[in-house]
Amino acid sequence: GAGVSQSPSNKVTEKGKDVELRCDPISGHTALYWYRQSLGQGLEFLIYFQGNSAPDKSGLPSDRFSAERTGGSVSTLTIQRTQQEDSAVYLCASSPGTSSDTQYFGPGTRLTVL
Amino acid sequence: AQKVTQAQTEISVVEKEDVTLDCVYETRDTTYYLFWYKQPPSGELVFLIRRNSFDEQNEISGRYSWNFQKSTSSFNFTITASQVVDSAVYFCALSEEWYSGGGADGLTFGKGTHLIIQP
Repeated sequence: GAGVSQSPSNKVTEKGKDVELRCDPISGHTALYWYRQSLGQGLEFLIYFQGNSAPDKSGLPSDRFSAERTGGSVSTLTIQRTQQEDSAVYLCASSPGTSSDTQYFGPGTRLTVL
Repeated sequence: AQKVTQAQTEISVVEKEDVTLDCVYETRDTTYYLFWYKQPPSGELVFLIRRNSFDEQNEISGRYSWNFQKSTSSFNFTITASQVVDSAVYFCALSEEWYSGGGADGLTFGKGTHLIIQP
């Protein structure tokens, strides 16, 4: 079946602009995760959704970051007033149930903030 | 808090050699899960294995094998008769289950080991 898909694959934006990144999980997976991969920080966990709710948003780097998931499926990660340090690859993953299940990753969105 | 250490930043071997990637973890929980992922140059993280803390049996899948030792908090990965296609960054990861419904912290990743297989 289809894997996790993310769009866009690449996004170049100017500092101060808002961006929206989209994730479409594997069909039937109730859990969805966002991670960020950068050279300096490695792979960082950002946020986790079980259904439409996110129990803990403390992993988001700042209040410029927000995420939502509607209909228990597609999720969007929004970064407002982007900064150069937001440049990274944003990865989305999904799993059948809880975070103890195997997470399957999408191809990522490479964000470059000029 | 949980932590995963992959001390080997980069390993370079000649094709057909065996190679072991080390992974040491720290956790306060008695129930946890360990994972290995492969990230080839294309960038997508590919799942390799999942192991729970109650199962210390070693696992072999083709040329890949994993050695889980709770006594040393290690979950090492060995590739036998390496091939050029094995060249990638390999990540070890940990998930705790300390909420009744499962952990809400996602995976904790090591920094990764860049494996280079030379022809």
